[in-house]
Amino acid sequence: SQQGEEDPQALSIQEGENATMNCSYKTSINNLQWYRQNSGRGLVHLILIRSNEREKHSGRLRVTLDTSKKSSSLLITASRAADTASYFCATEQTDSWGKLQFGAGTQVVVTP
Amino acid sequence: DTAVSQTPKYLVTQMGNDKSIKCEQNLGHDTMYWYKQDSKKFLKIMFSYNNKELIINETVPNRFSPKSPDKAHLNLHINSLELGDSAVYFCASSHTGSPEKLFFGSGTQLSVL
Repeated sequence: SQQGEEDPQALSIQEGENATMNCSYKTSINNLQWYRQNSGRGLVHLILIRSNEREKHSGRLRVTLDTSKKSSSLLITASRAADTASYFCATEQTDSWGKLQFGAGTQVVVTP
Repeated sequence: DTAVSQTPKYLVTQMGNDKSIKCEQNLGHDTMYWYKQDSKKFLKIMFSYNNKELIINETVPNRFSPKSPDKAHLNLHINSLELGDSAVYFCASSHTGSPEKLFFGSGTQLSVL
């Protein structure tokens, strides 16, 4: 069954604006990761946040994790046209070692 | 150099045929994976191998058979292809069996006619 679900499914913003997308999951996790997929390409790892962490930053990316609500958010600040891609959250459940489960992604379009 | 490379990039074939997708990683990783991405972009794990040993085998029809000749290679053979097998198949690797950061290939788009 699908573990992570991203919201919204699609997001369209102007360059310079911030983009926020959310991920909800169902069961206890060891960590949650965010990946980016450009059209026709493989997924690229962006950031990992562990279950005992609440917030993490990497460049223009900010990830939060609320384990009580089983949800995470990814914020991209000062977006650029090059940020146009699909963004996926993925979780490693505590009872499924070695298995990373993905949602269906949020498609982000950044227009100049 | 490409870290995770898979071939072919596109595969168009008729129902009932047998086909293979090859994957190689030059990262020195111990674990490799096959994922299937459907038309709605939902990505689902199929198999994982750690040092040539099968670790994860999801509910995948036995027409799909992975083979790992060494820890740098994980190939996927599909027998008796069906229309529903049409998807993008991604190979990935990680340093250890814990998938804390996966490196993905660029995908193989399989179209079964």
